[in-house]
Amino acid sequence: QVQLVESGGGLVKPGGSLRLSCAASGFIFSDYYMSWIRQSPGKGLEWVSVISRGSSYTLYADSVKGRFTISRDDAKNSLYLQMNNLRGDDTAVYYCVRGSREPDPWGQGTLVTVSS
Amino acid sequence: DVVMTQSPLSLPVTLGQPASISCRSSQSLVYSDGNTYLNWFQQRPGQSPRRLIYKVSNRDSGVPDRFSGSGSGTDFTLKISRVEAEDVGIYYCMQGTHWPLYTFGQGTKLEIK
Repeated sequence: QVQLVESGGGLVKPGGSLRLSCAASGFIFSDYYMSWIRQSPGKGLEWVSVISRGSSYTLYADSVKGRFTISRDDAKNSLYLQMNNLRGDDTAVYYCVRGSREPDPWGQGTLVTVSS
Repeated sequence: DVVMTQSPLSLPVTLGQPASISCRSSQSLVYSDGNTYLNWFQQRPGQSPRRLIYKVSNRDSGVPDRFSGSGSGTDFTLKISRVEAEDVGIYYCMQGTHWPLYTFGQGTKLEIK
């Protein structure tokens, strides 16, 4: 069955960095766009970033542009999110999601907490 | 950005009774390919969101047929014909038509009365 497993979350100080990973299985990873979506109590569900098949293009929410970088390794069936210069309002559960227009399924999420 | 507005935000329902959630978008969700990319998600307590409906009215595999989606243009509705205890959670609509990034409604919390 299709499975997405995120890792890499944790507690980080403002200005710090984290790299999230998502291991995909059960489908042909290279055939799909992949996305990161986050959920925080204050802001609900928010798209973070999308990467196309073959990594030909990437898109970011204005709130993370210039600080976050999405990437993928199709040989490893893995999706990544490099997060730099983290701020308090980046605190959220980050979900790895297959697809973009019709995201499905979602991983279980990994919690990122930005606090001093 | 396209704004998605859900109502109500809180929905107490008696078991076995119907429930309805409205979702309105600030722009038409008809895409240039003719499709309308309006999705509905269910998030049960402590779980990740799960897609129920895509392209307005297409039910995902395994989703009970008591769930149905309808609408067009800017007005959409999710209906549950007879609410069961397992339906408790938060329901979100999401538009996948307008880039740069897609947007979600605020969520509707369904609880048993």
